[in-house]
Amino acid sequence: EAQVTQNPRYLITVTGKKLTVTCSQNMNHEYMSWYRQDPGLGLRQIYYSMNVEVTDKGDVPEGYKVSRKEKRNFPLILESPSPNQTSLYFCASRDRPGGSYEQYFGPGTRLTVT
Amino acid sequence: SQQGEEDPQALSIQEGENATMNCSYKTSINNLQWYRQNSGRGLVHLILIRSNEREKHSGRLRVTLDTSKKSSSLLITASRAADTASYFCATVYGFGNEKLTFGTGTRLTIIP
Repeated sequence: EAQVTQNPRYLITVTGKKLTVTCSQNMNHEYMSWYRQDPGLGLRQIYYSMNVEVTDKGDVPEGYKVSRKEKRNFPLILESPSPNQTSLYFCASRDRPGGSYEQYFGPGTRLTVT
Repeated sequence: SQQGEEDPQALSIQEGENATMNCSYKTSINNLQWYRQNSGRGLVHLILIRSNEREKHSGRLRVTLDTSKKSSSLLITASRAADTASYFCATVYGFGNEKLTFGTGTRLTIIP
């Protein structure tokens, strides 16, 4: 089954404790991205990657890091989480730049930073 | 920002009725997409309409696009309880990143 998986689905942590949210897709997609969803603000892009070893900032990259060492994986790293990073996070992937525009989303990770 | 805005923010209708949601955006686009999100879950792609298209159909969905007004509408006909969800429009602009820029969504409730 074609899918994007994220782990963990729920996470409660404390300010400053480094964490990683994993994302993996099994569709051989080149393009992957991370979004956060906040009430009243919709979804905003954090980082994106057009291929292995190619990553760039989205609209709200502050406080986040990413890496793309393998095509299927695109982890999101919060080096020192703060309460304003409490949010619902989604990983997404799609075929390739210039290809099908349909994006496939993971199930989401609900993060709470206290 | 070319973030889209959906209208209305919330909509409740009886099962079997048609539901119409509108989306406005600010700048030129390559295409516009609609996604559905069931409560707290991932988004599911519904339909894509390109900037040179005016109308598109997929099952019970009908999407229109008016680039001169920078607006789109999503019509769901013969609504079902399972259509209860939030609906987002997302625009794609430029090349390379081609990121989705989402609106704030319409919360649709279908009353059985």
